[in-house]
Amino acid sequence: ETGVTQSPTHLIKTRGQQVTLRCSSQSGHNTVSWYQQALGQGPQFIFQYYREEENGRGNFPPRFSGLQFPNYSSELNVNALELDDSALYLCASSLDYASEQYFGPGTRLTVT
Amino acid sequence: KQEVTQIPAALSVPEGENLVLNCSFTDSAIYNLQWFRQDPGKGLTSLLLIQSSQREQTSGRLNASLDKSSGRSTLYIAASQPGDSATYLCAVTGSGGGADGLTFGKGTHLIIQP
Repeated sequence: ETGVTQSPTHLIKTRGQQVTLRCSSQSGHNTVSWYQQALGQGPQFIFQYYREEENGRGNFPPRFSGLQFPNYSSELNVNALELDDSALYLCASSLDYASEQYFGPGTRLTVT
Repeated sequence: KQEVTQIPAALSVPEGENLVLNCSFTDSAIYNLQWFRQDPGKGLTSLLLIQSSQREQTSGRLNASLDKSSGRSTLYIAASQPGDSATYLCAVTGSGGGADGLTFGKGTHLIIQP
């Protein structure tokens, strides 16, 4: 167990809707990163938050946004869902942006 | 742009064999490299982290090596067991220290036959 939790476990949404995924980091971990993993692929980096500020972003459009809160929880918000957004979404926490990352169990999002 | 390749994509071996999984990366300016294990539909479990200044790390039956100059890492699994069946992913952190996130390979799907 990594101490990183995510909710919900599974989610089904319709194209065009909005979704919020949640992550609870290990206590004391100031950094949270979010990844998207399509079936059969390695995870793709979405963005990273360090002490509640976004400090890095991958090649994802602005409709992917996030928040990090002082209590080590964070959110990933996706607007205007598309079918290609169907994937496993993983969050990872670490002490800082260069330390070992610990992953949660993921949220499986299906867009129909 | 960093690219990570893992070979082979899939591997099936009898229980008890020693095996090697390979990972290569195109930009040698990395901060560290991590090996992960992923069971079907689950999250990632960190196996080993090698800093760019290190050559190898060991944990139990696992040994990971890093040759940064040639852009290669290997994960050696000794005396394989059916419980080792999973997908193994390697990922690198860029020299910027992590603000670009981890760059992953597609993984090696490993099956250990009882």
